[in-house]
Amino acid sequence: GENVEQHPSTLSVQEGDSAVIKCTYSDSASNYFPWYKQELGKRPQLIIDIRSNVGEKKDQRIAVTLNKTAKHFSLHITETQPEDSAVYFCAASSNYGGSQGNLIFGKGTKLSVKP
Amino acid sequence: DAGVIQSPRHEVTEMGQEVTLRCKPISGHDYLFWYRQTMMRGLELLIYFNNNVPIDDSGMPEDRFSAKMPNASFSTLKIQPSEPRDSAVYFCASSWTMNTEAFFGQGTRLTVV
Repeated sequence: GENVEQHPSTLSVQEGDSAVIKCTYSDSASNYFPWYKQELGKRPQLIIDIRSNVGEKKDQRIAVTLNKTAKHFSLHITETQPEDSAVYFCAASSNYGGSQGNLIFGKGTKLSVKP
Repeated sequence: DAGVIQSPRHEVTEMGQEVTLRCKPISGHDYLFWYRQTMMRGLELLIYFNNNVPIDDSGMPEDRFSAKMPNASFSTLKIQPSEPRDSAVYFCASSWTMNTEAFFGQGTRLTVV
């Protein structure tokens, strides 16, 4: 089955700096890669997603890149703010095979933005 | 729609007792997922359903765990008998179709003493 590895597990940056979180996946059939943000004590919420027919997607200060050949994708947050502090999860999903539609998460990255 | 609704929000039970967690997905969503979240393991996919049919339950840790979806608006996750290592936050999520945004419920924090 699919396996998603996420690095780093913790990341501390100064306000205004950029943050990068990287993930790799194992199943070459995966074609949907969402990113979720989870604030302390709350539910995970989608912040951005990318599909395999796109190499990069941007939404204001957040961007995702996807390298299908290498089977890795990354989240980039620019001009970080204290409210960006949270745990970020990457995930991968496939629409082929016996487990189509599954949504497998990485273990998360705790991002701390220091004022 | 009120979003994905889970109950109870908190559950404290004694080891050996049966625990039932409940989930109401968003109306019209075809996919329903059950996750367990711990510090050590992150968000583990336990089982997911498509149109009320279980697709993959390989994430269910043991036979003590079972899940059902008798209709499109209700699912349960049962642990019998419960053990202290089952203590975690259990999330239910639903999505309109495959490979679309999954909306999470508030979660159920389970403590087994």
